[in-house]
Amino acid sequence: NAGVTQTPKFRILKIGQSMTLQCTQDMNHNYMYWYRQDPGMGLKLIYYSVGAGITDKGEVPNGYNVSRSTTEDFPLRLELAAPSQTSVYFCASSRQANTIYFGEGSWLTVV
Amino acid sequence: TQLLEQSPQFLSIQEGENLTVYCNSSSVFSSLQWYRQEPGEGPVLLVTVVTGGEVKKLKRLTFQFGDARKDSSLHITAAQPGDTGLYLCAASGSARQLTFGSGTQLTVLP
Repeated sequence: NAGVTQTPKFRILKIGQSMTLQCTQDMNHNYMYWYRQDPGMGLKLIYYSVGAGITDKGEVPNGYNVSRSTTEDFPLRLELAAPSQTSVYFCASSRQANTIYFGEGSWLTVV
Repeated sequence: TQLLEQSPQFLSIQEGENLTVYCNSSSVFSSLQWYRQEPGEGPVLLVTVVTGGEVKKLKRLTFQFGDARKDSSLHITAAQPGDTGLYLCAASGSARQLTFGSGTQLTVLP
């Protein structure tokens, strides 16, 4: 069972570069989320989506963009990467907003 | 934004000991969840509590939701090394978002 799949698993970016973290889910969930987790910390919501074509900012959206053209996919775009964006990024999805399934994470280092 | 405070932040115990971790807020929760996260993986849902005073058991784990729905606890009986991980509480906020606490890093030594 695939569940929530994120790519890439690891990435090193130089300051100012851009990249997209891909996320896809095969559970036909309406809700999708992007979180970041800094070392030893909990998760902070970057963006979320309640359905195709609808996206909203979370707690820490600055420096990121998202799109939701299909139910399955919710890519996260980093423009002009900064060292402060070094983190582990988790994509997640849910059918109802209170039961969330997470991907395995993407480790991003900005140098 | 609901602020969730978890304590302790770090906990290291010997195998066989009991422990309790806490999740507190000044806000009332509509529901609260506990997750466990192992290194290199995403969080995995353990339990959801929705009713004030509710107690749920999952093998050696006991979860309690406060009567006022502002706090919760997780008690582990006879901890095992396999219980090692980051325990996160999360509460439903506005716009159907989950807000996470900063977590309790538990290490159970053999």
